[in-house]
Amino acid sequence: NAGVTQTPKFQVLKTGQSMTLQCAQDMNHEYMSWYRQDPGMGLRLIHYSVGAGITDQGEVPNGYNVSRSTTEDFPLRLLSAAPSQTSVYFCASSAAGSWNSPLHFGNGTRLTVT
Amino acid sequence: KNQVEQSPQSLIILEGKNCTLQCNYTVSPFSNLRWYKQDTGRGPVSLTIMTFSENTKSNGRYTATLDADTKQSSLHITASQLSDSASYICVVSGDNAGNMLTFGGGTRLMVKP
Repeated sequence: NAGVTQTPKFQVLKTGQSMTLQCAQDMNHEYMSWYRQDPGMGLRLIHYSVGAGITDQGEVPNGYNVSRSTTEDFPLRLLSAAPSQTSVYFCASSAAGSWNSPLHFGNGTRLTVT
Repeated sequence: KNQVEQSPQSLIILEGKNCTLQCNYTVSPFSNLRWYKQDTGRGPVSLTIMTFSENTKSNGRYTATLDADTKQSSLHITASQLSDSASYICVVSGDNAGNMLTFGGGTRLMVKP
């Protein structure tokens, strides 16, 4: 039972480069989301999706794009990396519409932008 | 602005001892409060979820309490083990769909032998 799988685990980018962070879940969860975690701060929501074909912005969406073509996958794209995007990125999923369904997190992608 | 404040920021205890972590929130509306455990280099893992009508909830050696009137929650760890060394994150949900989650900055607990 893999749960939520994120790749890569580590990534170093130069300013201006683009890349895609991958996220896949095998729990048939409708709800998926992306967070970033910075030192001393709580996790902040970047984008989320309540089902295939549906995405919406979270608290800090600028500089990131998402798409949801399947239930299983929810990639996060950095369009033109900036040093301010240096962070740890977590993908999470849960059963939509269930108030007591916890978020299941992946183990994160540690991104450094130089 | 919705906020979740956790204290202390860090804590060191000896193996076998108990400890209590605090969470104060100013989130409205309120749906439920969650505690997560995050091991170093890993994603958070859910410990408990409580609604406003629940005062206490246990998960093994972890017991969470909630006072919705004072907007405070605590996480009590009994008979600590080395594997309890982690960050503990308090999360308050403002809706049922999980889109309005406010995360605390976490308490980093270190259990020493």
